[in-house]
Amino acid sequence: QKEVEQNSGPLSVPEGAIASLNCTYSDRGSQSFFWYRQYSGKSPELIMSIYSNGDKEDGRFTAQLNKASQYVSLLIRDSQPSDSATYLCAVNNLRGDFGNEKLTFGTGTRLTIIP
Amino acid sequence: NAGVTQTPKFQVLKTGQSMTLQCAQDMNHNSMYWYRQDPGMGLRLIYYSASEGTTDKGEVPNGYNVSRLNKREFSLRLESAAPSQTSVYFCASTPQRTDTQYFGPGTRLTVL
Repeated sequence: QKEVEQNSGPLSVPEGAIASLNCTYSDRGSQSFFWYRQYSGKSPELIMSIYSNGDKEDGRFTAQLNKASQYVSLLIRDSQPSDSATYLCAVNNLRGDFGNEKLTFGTGTRLTIIP
Repeated sequence: NAGVTQTPKFQVLKTGQSMTLQCAQDMNHNSMYWYRQDPGMGLRLIYYSASEGTTDKGEVPNGYNVSRLNKREFSLRLESAAPSQTSVYFCASTPQRTDTQYFGPGTRLTVL
């Protein structure tokens, strides 16, 4: 079983709609969760971090965390063509042991926004 | 403030050749990391350094060596390149007392 799992996609969403990306993780002790966006040929760029159960909103992006069910999701409202990218979920189970943090990444979900 | 920089951007090697990938950050970050990214495999950690003078193996360290030259610089060396090391290599760094990683632009390496 992979430690961090994502549906590879592609996920196609009409412009203006809500894109929903999901991620599950296997280590119940995981404490920090991240969403990165990666455009083709570019490096990962941090979009959101979330540490507590519930929702965290930042502009058009909302991260949702449910530790009991071991999943984290990313919602993108009013999707734009510029949101077309691969979205990587990352998990850290050593938060607090600063200096030894290691993120485990999922393989990413490719999102395409259709104009 | 350039953030995390990597050189070179592209490199082609022949099997058995050696090379060093360079990474530097100007954000006074403590921890630095080297990843490789392959299609369908995601980002995999090769080595990391929690502070100047310390390095530790990640998930896929075989065939690589690293040097944390100072707080700013963290290099990755391939002593005898193999076609299996064809990949995109990313360096990342983390500010002190956080676990948020910031990535460099990457090096695309092809080993023939």
